[in-house]
Amino acid sequence: DVKVTQSSRYLVKRTGEKVFLECVQDMDHENMFWYRQDPGLGLRLIYFSYDVKMKEKGDIPEGYSVSREKKERFSLILESASTNQTSMYLCASTFLAVNQPQHFGDGTRLSIL
Amino acid sequence: DQQVKQNSPSLSVQEGRISILNCDYTNSMFDYFLWYKKYPAEGPTFLISISSIKDKNEDGRFTVFLNKSAKHLSLHIVPSQPGDSAVYFCAALTQGGSEKLVFGKGTKLTVNP
Repeated sequence: DVKVTQSSRYLVKRTGEKVFLECVQDMDHENMFWYRQDPGLGLRLIYFSYDVKMKEKGDIPEGYSVSREKKERFSLILESASTNQTSMYLCASTFLAVNQPQHFGDGTRLSIL
Repeated sequence: DQQVKQNSPSLSVQEGRISILNCDYTNSMFDYFLWYKKYPAEGPTFLISISSIKDKNEDGRFTVFLNKSAKHLSLHIVPSQPGDSAVYFCAALTQGGSEKLVFGKGTKLTVNP
């Protein structure tokens, strides 16, 4: 079974803090993704990576950065957290092949006070 | 512009009856479609998918229908069970692209005992 593990289920941070969200997958997937889920807005793609040290912007990259130093690990960084970044953050991974569903972690509920 | 639309935010059905969840898309380049199920406080779980070369795919109680001319797909759950109560997301993918999924906003299904 594919396992995508997000380091924290719940996180509370203060405005202006630098926040790190970590994601690890154990299936040797090439592609990794970060989404945020907000009520009424569905899942929106923040950043994704198709290889080590490679990254591409998704639909809402502003205020975020990412790091992929190892194939199994993809980090999302909030450089200076703001209250509008309070959300559920979801990490996903998949093989670099056609017709491959993404496998998701259980999410990190992040609150910025 | 929303490329994948789930126009019903919620749906309520009786246990044992059929649940039909609908999804419309606007981008004719989409050629692979997926349904995910999401329970509260968990990540989305892949449910079923369909390629654009097919018009139906079945997996147990779950069947997805694709009408390319109408740019419409639907998920049928028969018979519905209380454990099916969750938010269902429709997603679409363009083959040969960057494997980015485009998600709808989700439909919350409630199956009443």
